[in-house]
Amino acid sequence: SQQGEEDPQALSIQEGENATMNCSYKTSINNLQWYRQNSGRGLVHLILIRSNEREKHSGRLRVTLDTSKKSSSLLITASRAADTASYFCATPTRDTDKLIFGTGTRLQVFP
Amino acid sequence: GAVVSQHPSWVICKSGTSVKIECRSLDFQATTMFWYRQFPKQSLMLMATSNEGSKATYEQGVEKDKFLINHASLTLSTLTVTSAHPEDSSFYICSVGRMSSYNSPLHFGNGTRLTVT
Repeated sequence: SQQGEEDPQALSIQEGENATMNCSYKTSINNLQWYRQNSGRGLVHLILIRSNEREKHSGRLRVTLDTSKKSSSLLITASRAADTASYFCATPTRDTDKLIFGTGTRLQVFP
Repeated sequence: GAVVSQHPSWVICKSGTSVKIECRSLDFQATTMFWYRQFPKQSLMLMATSNEGSKATYEQGVEKDKFLINHASLTLSTLTVTSAHPEDSSFYICSVGRMSSYNSPLHFGNGTRLTVT
């Protein structure tokens, strides 16, 4: 089953532009996580934001969480061609380690 | 972070044969590993939770007799696709949680691309 819906499904931008991806989820959560997947590879963890946090930064990444709207956003600033990948939000099921992934956003950054 | 090794990275097999995929946690003893399946341009679907020393827990709709999971040690879980058919062709990814806490991220292997001819 899918917990989250991501928007947009695909995004194409030029290097230097910012990329924003949104994630909506259905049930209450303890945290929300963002992962990146290069084509044909495994996933790499980017950021974990807890339910009592509203915003978190890591380098060029900024994640927001609005639990009242059950939504999160991932902003990549000053994008680079190397940021080209698929990005997924994921939430753990209640009281377990199981992560349920959103539908993903495919980001293409053109040099 | 934890390092997860998955092998093989790709495999081609004939219909009716079985394929084993290994997932190793190289620097962490994992009592729990997760197996996901991903079709092209789609998201990851959780197949099962592999529990060291006990039976795996399968998600609804996943055939446990077709996807055999063995987690015999704290560093190794295997997924065997039995009597594979072309519809089993997919990308299979394992993951490990470094801490037994839902507030910690998962670490993923690089996946196995299975093609059944």
